[in-house]
Amino acid sequence: DAGVIQSPRHEVTEMGQEVTLRCKPISGHNSLFWYRQTMMRGLELLIYFNNNVPIDDSGMPEDRFSAKMPNASFSTLKIQPSEPRDSAVYFCASRRTGNTEAFFGQGTRLTVV
Amino acid sequence: TQLLEQSPQFLSIQEGENLTVYCNSSSVFSSLQWYRQEPGEGPVLLVTVVTGGEVKKLKRLTFQFGDARKDSSLHITAAQPGDTGLYLCAGASTGNNRKLIWGLGTSLAVNP
Repeated sequence: DAGVIQSPRHEVTEMGQEVTLRCKPISGHNSLFWYRQTMMRGLELLIYFNNNVPIDDSGMPEDRFSAKMPNASFSTLKIQPSEPRDSAVYFCASRRTGNTEAFFGQGTRLTVV
Repeated sequence: TQLLEQSPQFLSIQEGENLTVYCNSSSVFSSLQWYRQEPGEGPVLLVTVVTGGEVKKLKRLTFQFGDARKDSSLHITAAQPGDTGLYLCAGASTGNNRKLIWGLGTSLAVNP
């Protein structure tokens, strides 16, 4: 299996622009997580899907952030409009329901200037 | 709110030394995981401990889960430069969703 695939690996954008991050989970994994990692706050869970349904979005910072999972093999995290404080590494992870082991993608390093 | 505190935050040692890093909480977890993250990559699972007092070994790495399932330690024997990375612990909540609570990590540098 190819593992969790994220794109793009790097994104540099200007403040105010829309940013879309993409994730393909491991086939057969029905839970998907979006995390944000910074030096100051470490790994923060943004949103969690189970069987394509958002279960817990309490970590989404504000309305500028939205996430979708239209099918079992694809999810997006969108930031609109982006701000410099959104600069971080964003990770997608997947796991099988009932299992605690999470498999992470390589992340998207976002820089908002 | 469940919190996981990891210590030390940073550690720089010479090749061949031994070290222990800690993961502590006031909350009980159903299981606890240790991950290693290398620069530019996502965290990769090293081990999951489930039973209080459990000890697991992975080559030169020894993981222990506290008796009360609130804390854990990772001991590395004869560290090598390849052990360099960010070590993260994550506790699974006792609720039905097994939500993971993450520590901030210990950044380890092993110098040749």
